[in-house]
Amino acid sequence: GAGVSQSPSNKVTEKGKDVELRCDPISGHTALYWYRQSLGQGLEFLIYFQGNSAPDKSGLPSDRFSAERTGGSVSTLTIQRTQQEDSAVYLCASSLAQEGDGYTFGSGTRLTVV
Amino acid sequence: GNSVTQMEGPVTLSEEAFLTINCTYTATGYPSLFWYVQYPGEGLQLLLKATKADDKGSNKGFEATYRKETTSFHLEKGSVQVSDSAVYFCALRSRAAGNKLTFGGGTRVLVKP
Repeated sequence: GAGVSQSPSNKVTEKGKDVELRCDPISGHTALYWYRQSLGQGLEFLIYFQGNSAPDKSGLPSDRFSAERTGGSVSTLTIQRTQQEDSAVYLCASSLAQEGDGYTFGSGTRLTVV
Repeated sequence: GNSVTQMEGPVTLSEEAFLTINCTYTATGYPSLFWYVQYPGEGLQLLLKATKADDKGSNKGFEATYRKETTSFHLEKGSVQVSDSAVYFCALRSRAAGNKLTFGGGTRVLVKP
């Protein structure tokens, strides 16, 4: 597609349930990133995939969070046993590998844990 | 590690006023620098970028110059409009740090008519 696609756009879940968030990056973009933006806050880095390299998971806040990227394309961010503090907008972005290239962001998934 | 510091908002100003948002950075290697904008209810968009020292990025009347000597990338616009009300994020990316984009905390700008 022309842009980064994220689904669902909104997700309301009960505390303790697992959720999966999907990101479909721009075709040909080898780098894929997940960020989290809490209400009125800045951007918190979560995880970064670059080609076939091992992902940079240094931003994942706890072991309840995991992500995978299949076939170098679509990525899924999974949050297990959701907590209310997980409520945020989860943003996915993709880019080419060169450092001079900016990211293209998706519209995000707004997650609300009740 | 890499870090970006930008002025805290909110910044409130009148239409046609001059806008400056300060951004300074620390980085490993020679980073590329970016400004992103997030309009109300929308996603993040790349506003402008500069990839080497003394480069000037510009878009939509906004400008920022890559100043290596002061490690800064301040965003400026000479005459703001109400439609420029948004949150602005300064960011950097360097190969030495694995090409991960590092963001500042964001600056909310509110332009009043």
